[in-house]
Amino acid sequence: EAGVTQSPRYAVLQEGQAVSFWCDPISGHDTLYWYQQPRDQGPQLLVYFRDEAVIDNSQLPSDRFSAVRPKGTNSTLKIQSAKQGDTATYLCASSFSSGNTLYFGEGSRLIVV
Amino acid sequence: GDSVTQTEGLVTVTEGLPVKLNCTYQTTYLTIAFFWYVQYLNEAPQVLLRSSTDNKRTEHQGFHATLHKSSSSFHLQKSSAQLSDSALYYCALSDLAGGADRLTFGKGTQLIIQP
Repeated sequence: EAGVTQSPRYAVLQEGQAVSFWCDPISGHDTLYWYQQPRDQGPQLLVYFRDEAVIDNSQLPSDRFSAVRPKGTNSTLKIQSAKQGDTATYLCASSFSSGNTLYFGEGSRLIVV
Repeated sequence: GDSVTQTEGLVTVTEGLPVKLNCTYQTTYLTIAFFWYVQYLNEAPQVLLRSSTDNKRTEHQGFHATLHKSSSSFHLQKSSAQLSDSALYYCALSDLAGGADRLTFGKGTQLIIQP
């Protein structure tokens, strides 16, 4: 069974540039999560979806961050006008809504200089 | 709000000796599940252990943990460390009533096993 797939694996931006991260969850998983993992910290939830609906996006840092999951499968996390403080690894995870185990992708590492 | 505390940022253990990684929590959730996730270098975090039953020992891959609600703890232990155990370990809690929603992680403990 294929795991959670993320791309790109790495991105280096200058401040002010935009970037989009893409996530393909495990087939059949209805719940999809985006986590931000700053260096030397644990993952912190940004937003999560059940099917195509946003369940909670209250932890998105600012209106520079947006996420969509239009067909309830793949998802895109976009950061506009990136800042140095956005430097982190962005992890996507998926699960069954009735389960309790999240399955993570390998992450997209962002460096903003 | 809820929080998970891992007091050690780095733990170094000699191969063959026991390992203990501490995890305590604070939560307002009534029904909770606890997890230990392990993240090897350049890989995704993956679940190592899960428990939602008070005072019941859970084991996997030689590691074990027991949820103690009386002390708000879910420490991870192993009797004999192996070099391959070197990794980043995260403790996390989840509101069972909400399924896997809102998994809250600790800051992580880097475990290094030395020969």
